[in-house]
Amino acid sequence: QKEVEQNSGPLSVPEGAIASLNCTYSDRGSQSFFWYRQYSGKSPELIMFIYSNGDKEDGRFTAQLNKASQYVSLLIRDSQPSDSATYLCAVSLAGSARQLTFGSGTQLTVLP
Amino acid sequence: EAQVTQNPRYLITVTGKKLTVTCSQNMNHEYMSWYRQDPGLGLRQIYYSMNVEVTDKGDVPEGYKVSRKEKRNFPLILESPSPNQTSLYFCASSLSFQSRNTIYFGEGSWLTVV
Repeated sequence: QKEVEQNSGPLSVPEGAIASLNCTYSDRGSQSFFWYRQYSGKSPELIMFIYSNGDKEDGRFTAQLNKASQYVSLLIRDSQPSDSATYLCAVSLAGSARQLTFGSGTQLTVLP
Repeated sequence: EAQVTQNPRYLITVTGKKLTVTCSQNMNHEYMSWYRQDPGLGLRQIYYSMNVEVTDKGDVPEGYKVSRKEKRNFPLILESPSPNQTSLYFCASSLSFQSRNTIYFGEGSWLTVV
């Protein structure tokens, strides 16, 4: 089992729809969860972080965390073509010497 | 401006020819790391450094070396590059190891080994 798993996609949604991206993690002791957006050939940029169970909203983005199910998701409302990118889930695994463990990413395409 | 600078950004080299990818940050960060990114595999950590003269292996250290003689610099050394090291490399830095510190990524270095 991978430590951080994401559906690789590609995921396609029409413009204006809600895009839902999912991530599961293996370490129940994980404390911090991050979503990065990465445009093709560019460096990752942080768009959301969440530390507590529940929802966290920032503009069109909502991160949802369920530690009991070891599941974190990212919702993008009113999706725009400029949201087309790869979204990386990253987790700070308890007891790991690694600062963050990244999933393999989900490629999102928003169709005009 | 806070930044992490990598060089070269693009490089094609031949098997066995030693190369160094430099990384420099101007934020006085303690923690620096190197990642490689391959299709379908996300970002995998190669080496990291908690502070000057303190380095340790990440997930995929084979074939790489690093050094941290100064706080601002963290070069990645490929002593004898092989084609399986063809990848996109990112240097990153943050104030400390704590994951809640903002991580700054360099722009990436595309390396092709033929």
